[in-house]
Amino acid sequence: QSALTQPASVSGSPGQSITISCAGTSNDVGAYNYVSWYQQHPGKAPVLMIYDVTNRPSGVSNRFSGSTSGNTASLTISGLQAEDEADYYCGSYTNWRTYVFGTGTKVTVL
Amino acid sequence: EVQLVQSGAEVKKPGESLKISCKGSGFTFTSSWIAWVRQMPGKGLEWMGSFFPGDSDTRYGPSFQGQVTLSADKSLNTAYLEWSSLKASDTAVYYCGKWVAGSVDYWGQGTLVTVSS
Repeated sequence: QSALTQPASVSGSPGQSITISCAGTSNDVGAYNYVSWYQQHPGKAPVLMIYDVTNRPSGVSNRFSGSTSGNTASLTISGLQAEDEADYYCGSYTNWRTYVFGTGTKVTVL
Repeated sequence: EVQLVQSGAEVKKPGESLKISCKGSGFTFTSSWIAWVRQMPGKGLEWMGSFFPGDSDTRYGPSFQGQVTLSADKSLNTAYLEWSSLKASDTAVYYCGKWVAGSVDYWGQGTLVTVSS
């Protein structure tokens, strides 16, 4: 059970859209609609941004959206803002009834 | 309001034992999975395992099986993460969270564990 693979860093200018990928396998991302995304600012606990692939918890901006295609999930942030600069992690339920996180992506707002 | 409040920072020596806690409120503790997540300094999130206080069902991530013990006290609405013999490599921030199959929807504030001789 290996960590899901994310790009180490993604950057964009204010107002632009960026997409973060999360590559898994048929034992996790490709097996269930149980993919989630978390935002973590330095020194803070992670915050759930997307759950069950496409759903946003109450209070999360609709600038954040999620999707999957096969064994790869994606998080898109539209209308990039300075406050979006943070680390982002994907996560997925697995065939072993456990959970696995992605390797993490640092988002920089230029 | 769902809250998970973790115990304070710990400084321990290699070989010592440790049990940290996570107290839940605002939800039905015995009907919810509590997950534990490790974050080593400057590194990413790692799912250690989860515990279901209702029937003590426990699941461990492959890297953590046999290395830690998860438990809970239903009467106190408190979950625990325990080590019998700490190593320097256990130095990390440990988070608890309320775990639903697809996500950790609420998180504790984190507990910093420092293991150093």
